[in-house]
Amino acid sequence: GAGVSQSPSNKVTEKGKDVELRCDPISGHTALYWYRQSLGQGLEFLIYFQGNSAPDKSGLPSDRFSAERTGGSVSTLTIQRTQQEDSAVYLCASTLPGLAGKTQYFGPGTRLLVL
Amino acid sequence: AQKITQTQPGMFVQEKEAVTLDCTYDTSDPSYGLFWYKQPSSGEMIFLIYQGSYDQQNATEGRYSLNFQKARKSANLVISASQLGDSAMYFCAMRERSGGYNKLIFGAGTRLAVHP
Repeated sequence: GAGVSQSPSNKVTEKGKDVELRCDPISGHTALYWYRQSLGQGLEFLIYFQGNSAPDKSGLPSDRFSAERTGGSVSTLTIQRTQQEDSAVYLCASTLPGLAGKTQYFGPGTRLLVL
Repeated sequence: AQKITQTQPGMFVQEKEAVTLDCTYDTSDPSYGLFWYKQPSSGEMIFLIYQGSYDQQNATEGRYSLNFQKARKSANLVISASQLGDSAMYFCAMRERSGGYNKLIFGAGTRLAVHP
């Protein structure tokens, strides 16, 4: 079956522009996570979705970052007024709901470069 | 707070030899899970192996095994018979059970280079 997909794979934007990153989880996986990986670093949690709701947004670094999920499937991470420090790889993962979904399956990531 | 520590920024190993990648963790939660992921240069995160805190035996998956020492709070990954394709970044992660879901806390990673 298809894995987690993300688009675009690469995005170059100018400082101050808005960007949208898309994640399409594995079919049937109701839990979805966004992480950010800065150059040479480990992954940093951003936000968690269960269905269409986001019970944990604690990792979003500022109010310029937002995310939504529709139909319990596709999620979009939006960064407004991008800054150079937003440059990173943004990874999405999906899993079965609750504690049963212990293993997260990751997409290939979106590499964002803010000039 | 939960924390994952990987003290080896880089490791080298000869092809066909075994290598151990270190991971220590800190948590006050008696129930937790530990993961290892591989990240090749292409960037995707590939799940390798999982160990639950109550599992009696060390996890194994093919050439991967997890040396779980609960009292020492360590969860080292052992790769046997290294292959050139094992060259990648390796991340140890712990499941943080906040609110009944599985947020992962990651270590900084270890870059493994396999030499022919």
